[in-house]
Amino acid sequence: NAGVTQTPKFRILKIGQSMTLQCTQDMNHNYMYWYRQDPGMGLKLIYYSVGAGITDKGEVPNGYNVSRSTTEDFPLRLELAAPSQTSVYFCASSPQSGGLRGYTFGSGTRLTVV
Amino acid sequence: AQSVTQLDSHVSVSEGTPVLLRCNYSSSYSPSLFWYVQHPNKGLQLLLKYTSAATLVKGINGFEAEFKKSETSFHLTKPSAHMSDAAEYFCVVTLTNDYKLSFGAGTTVTVRA
Repeated sequence: NAGVTQTPKFRILKIGQSMTLQCTQDMNHNYMYWYRQDPGMGLKLIYYSVGAGITDKGEVPNGYNVSRSTTEDFPLRLELAAPSQTSVYFCASSPQSGGLRGYTFGSGTRLTVV
Repeated sequence: AQSVTQLDSHVSVSEGTPVLLRCNYSSSYSPSLFWYVQHPNKGLQLLLKYTSAATLVKGINGFEAEFKKSETSFHLTKPSAHMSDAAEYFCVVTLTNDYKLSFGAGTTVTVRA
């Protein structure tokens, strides 16, 4: 089983450029999440989705957009990249009762905005 | 709302000695608690989880944690550190009926030979 797959693993963007971080899971999980990890800050929730067609903001959504057209895919879009978005991004998924069954994380995307 | 405080940002131990990583949580309702480990340039791996069953939880690689409701703590321990335990560790809380995670700031563990 692949679990949660993120692409790309690394990316360098110039200020003002846009890009999409891809996330796919093959476990038929309803819940999917995007987190960013900054040094010494733990992980902060950007957006989450409780099922296809349903998304909602997390703690730090500004500058990002998401969509969830299928159960498997949950891409994260950066429209106008800024240096403050330099971070490591993690996608995760969980089944309906995520608190009981845990979460599966992807291996991360390291993004640098210059 | 729930939150997590990891009391040590960095812990250094000698190989073969015990490891203690401290975590306190705040939650209005019954929480689910997790410890995740992240090795350098890797994703997050679940070490163990507490979900209102036994208060002493055993995880992978010899780690265990004890849920103490009276102290609102969920400390992670290992009797004998190995060099491969050098990593960053995150304490995480969620409500049992919720699905959003709240992460602690992390504890970096270094293991001296």
